[in-house]
Amino acid sequence: KNEVEQSPQNLTAQEGEFITINCSYSVGISALHWLQQHPGGGIVSLFMLSSGKKKHGRLIATINIQEKHSSLHITASHPRDSAVYICAVMPAGTASKLTFGTGTRLQVTL
Amino acid sequence: SQTIHQWPATLVQPVGSPLSLECTVEGTSNPNLYWYRQAAGRGLQLLFYSVGIGQISSEVPQNLSASRPQDRQFILSSKKLLLSDSGFYLCAWEINYGYTFGSGTRLTVV
Repeated sequence: KNEVEQSPQNLTAQEGEFITINCSYSVGISALHWLQQHPGGGIVSLFMLSSGKKKHGRLIATINIQEKHSSLHITASHPRDSAVYICAVMPAGTASKLTFGTGTRLQVTL
Repeated sequence: SQTIHQWPATLVQPVGSPLSLECTVEGTSNPNLYWYRQAAGRGLQLLFYSVGIGQISSEVPQNLSASRPQDRQFILSSKKLLLSDSGFYLCAWEINYGYTFGSGTRLTVV
């Protein structure tokens, strides 16, 4: 069993829909990252969380440390949001190394 | 501003040939540096990390090596590439749990 599980693996949505991507992990962590990977492969860090909730534009990330669960929400989705979204955790006591989920491939259509 | 440069973007190399991928960072001092690999259809995996000049830790046994000759330079090398070395290689730097990723190198070994 992977230490970081994401769901769904693939997601297709119509423009304007509200999207939720879930991440569950099995170890104690120092922090959790949400990353965005575009088709060319480059990765952008969207959020780093250790508690609570963060918002940036149409993106919202939440984390529940007790339940070992995080969600990434996209409001009013747009085709330019199409990408792979990756959840990555920093297991406690492992310095700052990341353990990655396998990603959620999001396709937003017109 | 803090930036990270990684090159080349794509590379096709024959089996048995050497490899050198370079990553440099700007706008920061003494960062933690990482090399990650993403094999086709799989999540990112940590290969090497470095907390300072000349300090390299390897996470998985493999055909690759890493070096950090300067504070802001991180190099991934191989003397003889294998087919299984094909994949997407990402350099990243981290300070205080915040990550910045390079644009990646897509390596195809033929």
